[in-house]
Amino acid sequence: TQLLEQSPQFLSIQEGENLTVYCNSSSVFSSLQWYRQEPGEGPVLLVTVVTGGEVKKLKRLTFQFGDARKDSSLHITAAQPGDTGLYLCAGLRRGNTDKLIFGTGTRLQVFP
Amino acid sequence: DTGVSQNPRHKITKRGQNVTFRCDPISEHNRLYWYRQTLGQGPEFLTYFQNEAQLEKSRLLSDRFSAERPKGSFSTLEIQRTEQGDSAMYLCASSLGGQGIHTEAFFGQGTRLTVV
Repeated sequence: TQLLEQSPQFLSIQEGENLTVYCNSSSVFSSLQWYRQEPGEGPVLLVTVVTGGEVKKLKRLTFQFGDARKDSSLHITAAQPGDTGLYLCAGLRRGNTDKLIFGTGTRLQVFP
Repeated sequence: DTGVSQNPRHKITKRGQNVTFRCDPISEHNRLYWYRQTLGQGPEFLTYFQNEAQLEKSRLLSDRFSAERPKGSFSTLEIQRTEQGDSAMYLCASSLGGQGIHTEAFFGQGTRLTVV
């Protein structure tokens, strides 16, 4: 059972276009993290969102955590070829043990 | 200390051989995670330590897999009698966890295992 579903799975766009990646779940998370991963490397943390409704901006990237803390989105403005990579959302569920649960991933390709 | 370090970066082994990977977490981090990732997929949770205690193991982790963190610092992941289906990227992450702390996990560069 995949707890976190990302959409779209693949995205291929031209430089300068805008895009949004969605991360959805039926479960509530205490926090949610977004990572970017390049081939052959480990995921690199981009941002952590904690509060329902929270919006964080990182240059051309805007991250939002849903009010109910079940979903999140990543919006990229004026995409550049350097944005190419695998974008992963990961949720932290509080319980007896804490572990990050990863989404299915969105592979983004930005063409010059 | 510049981050999570994993060794080796790449490992090619023959089916049936045993392999061991090492992870050195960020020094002040008490939590250490192992994940497995196949091409184009998100990482799948394998197991997780808080200090030296192994708190959770995924059902994905068969009896051929074992992980240790003997002194609460570095960790090893051993795969016995490797199979071709074990070929994947093995990722280690560490975090500082505890009550009221929102855990941010930082990943190593991974160990790419190829079983031939």
